[in-house]
Amino acid sequence: TQLLEQSPQFLSIQEGENLTVYCNSSSVFSSLQWYRQEPGEGPVLLVTVVTGGEVKKLKRLTFQFGDARKDSSLHITAAQTGDTGLYLCAGAMGSGNTPLVFGKGTRLSVIA
Amino acid sequence: NAGVTQTPKFQVLKTGQSMTLQCAQDMNHEYMSWYRQDPGMGLRLIHYSVGAGITDQGEVPNGYNVSRSTTEDFPLRLLSAAPSQTSVYFCASKEQNRGLRTEAFFGQGTRLTVV
Repeated sequence: TQLLEQSPQFLSIQEGENLTVYCNSSSVFSSLQWYRQEPGEGPVLLVTVVTGGEVKKLKRLTFQFGDARKDSSLHITAAQTGDTGLYLCAGAMGSGNTPLVFGKGTRLSVIA
Repeated sequence: NAGVTQTPKFQVLKTGQSMTLQCAQDMNHEYMSWYRQDPGMGLRLIHYSVGAGITDQGEVPNGYNVSRSTTEDFPLRLLSAAPSQTSVYFCASKEQNRGLRTEAFFGQGTRLTVV
């Protein structure tokens, strides 16, 4: 059973388009993180959200944590080819010392 | 700025062979973990450690052993390699007791093929 369900699994869009990636669960998380992974590299943290309803912006990326802390979304405005990569959501169910549980990831391809 | 270092980067094993994947971090992080990444499966936790001398199992521990004798090192041992263990393995570390916004730092991965 996958605790965190990400959708879509694959996404191919044209440069300049907007997109949203979803991370859903039936469980409550203490915190949720979004990572980006490039080929041949390990994941790198983009953002952490901990409060229900929290919204964080990172340039053209907007992250939101659901009010009930069971889901999150990543919205990219005016996608660029440099946004291409694997986006992973990861949740912690306890304190900061508990293991991270990862979703299966969304592979984004932005075409010029 | 080494961060988390994994060796080797690539490895081919024959079924039944044993080997150790090395992971070292220079950030004095108490928490370290091992994940495997398979196509369409995301990252799955194998084992983790909250400090020297303390280890615990994750989601997919069978066929793997770990030990944590120092804060810096967290090796992953494959006792008798099987084709099902063909995967990319990632080691990660993070600070402990620093709240919910703690960032996990990942190594570059070890790509293992078992034939």
